[in-house]
Amino acid sequence: EADIYQTPRYLVIGTGKKITLECSQTMGHDKMYWYQQDPGMELHLIHYSYGVNSTEKGDLSSESTVSRIRTEHFPLTLESARPSHTSQYLCASSESYKAGEYNEQFFGPGTRLTVL
Amino acid sequence: QKEVEQDPGPLSVPEGAIVSLNCTYSNSAFQYFMWYRQYSRKGPELLMYTYSSGNKEDGRFTAQVDKSSKYISLFIRDSQPSDSATYLCAMKSTGFQKLVFGTGTRLLVSP
Repeated sequence: EADIYQTPRYLVIGTGKKITLECSQTMGHDKMYWYQQDPGMELHLIHYSYGVNSTEKGDLSSESTVSRIRTEHFPLTLESARPSHTSQYLCASSESYKAGEYNEQFFGPGTRLTVL
Repeated sequence: QKEVEQDPGPLSVPEGAIVSLNCTYSNSAFQYFMWYRQYSRKGPELLMYTYSSGNKEDGRFTAQVDKSSKYISLFIRDSQPSDSATYLCAMKSTGFQKLVFGTGTRLLVSP
């Protein structure tokens, strides 16, 4: 079944730790995205990718980094986690742009990160 | 000022009620208007989208776009407890798929 997966679902870690949030999709989508979602706030785009070896920063400044070595995989890394990084992180993917259509972004279940 | 404004709620209604969810926006370049539903501890899922102005119906759900007023609505008829979720509006202009989201409205439908 085509889907988008995120691991771990929940993560509680101490300040200063390096973490990687995993995101994989089996739909063969070229475009992938990372969003940050805080309670009562809108989703903010922090990173996106057009395809393999393509990564761009989104609207919201983030200390995280991403990589896209394989089409299906788009991990997000925090080199040194801080309490300000506590948030929900959502991964999404979509097909390449087609004029006149909305290319639906499919979202994963999210990773809820808590940094103590 | 935010590009998209959405009342966070919560909006509490009894089962069977008609629900109206709304967003306003400021960017006249937006052409695609989406409604996503997000259950607790899940990612958002697309309910429906509308291109430009007009209405779109899908079962109990109707989406309306009024570009002259920069106002979009989602109506839910015969609401069910299973409709209890957060509803996010999202918009984009043509070209690259950068979505701009509202904060979401939390809907509670009581049996």
